[in-house]
Amino acid sequence: AQSVTQLDSQVPVFEEAPVELRCNYSSSVSVYLFWYVQYPNQGLQLLLKYLSGSTLVKGINGFEAEFNKSQTSFHLRKPSVHISDTAEYFCAVILRKDSSYKLIFGSGTRLLVRP
Amino acid sequence: EAGVVQSPRYKIIEKKQPVAFWCNPISGHNTLYWYRQNLGQGPELLIRYENEEAVDDSQLPKDRFSAERLKGVDSTLKIQPAELGDSAVYLCASSLGSGEDLGETQYFGPGTRLLVL
Repeated sequence: AQSVTQLDSQVPVFEEAPVELRCNYSSSVSVYLFWYVQYPNQGLQLLLKYLSGSTLVKGINGFEAEFNKSQTSFHLRKPSVHISDTAEYFCAVILRKDSSYKLIFGSGTRLLVRP
Repeated sequence: EAGVVQSPRYKIIEKKQPVAFWCNPISGHNTLYWYRQNLGQGPELLIRYENEEAVDDSQLPKDRFSAERLKGVDSTLKIQPAELGDSAVYLCASSLGSGEDLGETQYFGPGTRLLVL
């Protein structure tokens, strides 16, 4: 079973509109959840992460995400996007097995902001 | 503070040729990761080092891939011989701790884009 699923491969949105990028995780993984952003020809940059505590997590560049245990979701939101937010967004979870762990990424969602 | 440095940024080789990628992590970071990112997909872990020890290499295709981190600082990932299916972006990342803190942030380099012809 997929540890993390991003159902939307691409999300087009107009500038200044709100956006939500969806992420669902398998209930069998630990609840360490991350959102990374990848700009063209660059490495990944952490937007935000949920480890414990408040279910609403605020990150950089005006993004926020809400951890929903009952729906096993960790959707990313921004109330008003800019052209510069055009990038690939990856949801990720920590998968633990015995004494080992690894960061498992979803397949990514391309956010395309149009003027 | 300098980020994770990788070289080269791009590499084009013919199949069956060897290739090597180099990574210098953020200064003081004990844990180093190599990922492979295929087109249209998220990164997948190949190997994780804690200092100079490879603590997880279960996803590394050991028949053709090798990696080293001799002094616990910079690292080299090698493919010999390369196959067409190895075309991908190879990302290096580092994190500060020893790996016990599962929530620790990983910092990624810009990657090496490999094309095997």
